[in-house]
Amino acid sequence: DAGVIQSPRHEVTEMGQEVTLRCKPISGHDYLFWYRQTMMRGLELLIYFNNNVPIDDSGMPEDRFSAKMPNASFSTLKIQPSEPRDSAVYFCASSLGTSVNNEQFFGPGTRLTVL
Amino acid sequence: GENVEQHPSTLSVQEGDSAVIKCTYSDSASNYFPWYKQELGKRPQLIIDIRSNVGEKKDQRIAVTLNKTAKHFSLHITETQPEDSAVYFCAAVGNTGRRALTFGSGTRLQVQP
Repeated sequence: DAGVIQSPRHEVTEMGQEVTLRCKPISGHDYLFWYRQTMMRGLELLIYFNNNVPIDDSGMPEDRFSAKMPNASFSTLKIQPSEPRDSAVYFCASSLGTSVNNEQFFGPGTRLTVL
Repeated sequence: GENVEQHPSTLSVQEGDSAVIKCTYSDSASNYFPWYKQELGKRPQLIIDIRSNVGEKKDQRIAVTLNKTAKHFSLHITETQPEDSAVYFCAAVGNTGRRALTFGSGTRLQVQP
């Protein structure tokens, strides 16, 4: 398996533009997580899905952020409109619900810069 | 919700010495405690984990201990090597059913050759 795949790897955009980040989880994994990493706030959960259904979106900063998982192999995180404070590395992770532990496998991340 | 505190924020050791990183958690129902290593510009990668029914787990040069009563867990790295230099994050999975990780703030470990 190729692991968790994220695209794009780097995104530079201007304030006010719409940004869409994409994630393909490991095949067969039924949990998908979106995390954001910044120097100030560290690694924090934004939202996670189980079997394509959003379970906990309490970490989504505000209405400008939205996430979808239309099927088991694809998820998007959208920011509209983007702001400079959204600049961060966004990680997608997936895990298998029936595993003995809860190991989460992280994708390579998307480095977002909002100018 | 769960809160995880991690200390120290930076740690510098000489090659061959041991390194210890400590974390405390707030939710007594937490039952899974992984440690991730993140090299510069890379993704976090799991290096060791422990479940709440185990007090200690070891994998070659790394070990993790868990004290459920005190709600703290620690990472021990022995015989440190320059390639151990990275940022280490502890994490906890909170109350039953909530699968997301709550991370500590990270420890930047520098192993001096």
